[in-house]
Amino acid sequence: EVQLVQSGAEVKKPGESLKISCKGSGYSFTSYWIGWVRQMPGKGLEWMGIIYPGDSDTRYSPSFQGQVTISADKSISTAYLQWSSLKASDTAMYYCARHFSFDIWGQGTMVTVSS
Amino acid sequence: QSALTQPASVSGSPGQSITISCTGTSSDVGGYNYVSWYQQHPGKAPKLMIYDVSNRPSGVSNRFSGSKSGNTASLTISGLQAEDEADYYCSSYTSSSTGVFGTGTKVTVL
Repeated sequence: EVQLVQSGAEVKKPGESLKISCKGSGYSFTSYWIGWVRQMPGKGLEWMGIIYPGDSDTRYSPSFQGQVTISADKSISTAYLQWSSLKASDTAMYYCARHFSFDIWGQGTMVTVSS
Repeated sequence: QSALTQPASVSGSPGQSITISCTGTSSDVGGYNYVSWYQQHPGKAPKLMIYDVSNRPSGVSNRFSGSKSGNTASLTISGLQAEDEADYYCSSYTSSSTGVFGTGTKVTVL
């Protein structure tokens, strides 16, 4: 079965760093793009960025460029989304999804940033 | 880039057909045949319903269909059912080699 499994919910304080993960299985991880999507509470989907694990080619939406870092470790079929200094406004559900068409989605990781 | 424009809400009675529009620019929707549509039920992850403008993934009902004309893409749901009540989002590839989502449409089955 093709699936993406994300790491668990996180509760952090403003200014802290965080790295969440998305592990792919059931397909060739290096052959498909993996993207990240933000959904703030009660709001719509936002396209954050995407990485091709085969060569680490990474593209960011202008809104998220410089705000987050997307990476991947193809040896363990895992993509990552990380922040160096969280803000309260980063509180959201984060999804990973496969390919530019986002045909397979992870279950989501809820990130809560609160003092 | 700005989000693609969708109507905030669309409603219909069971059995009817509804159409959701998704308006962008020549730099996204109008420039590429890479428009996708997603269904999201409350508390759930989105689900791909249409890709590359009009293609349905395996397992998606043929009541869902997609099309595009100029800078506007459309999703049509025919034979509306109670289970179709959800939020729907379009997305498109862009000239920046990234993607962009639509603003989202809440579908209500009356």
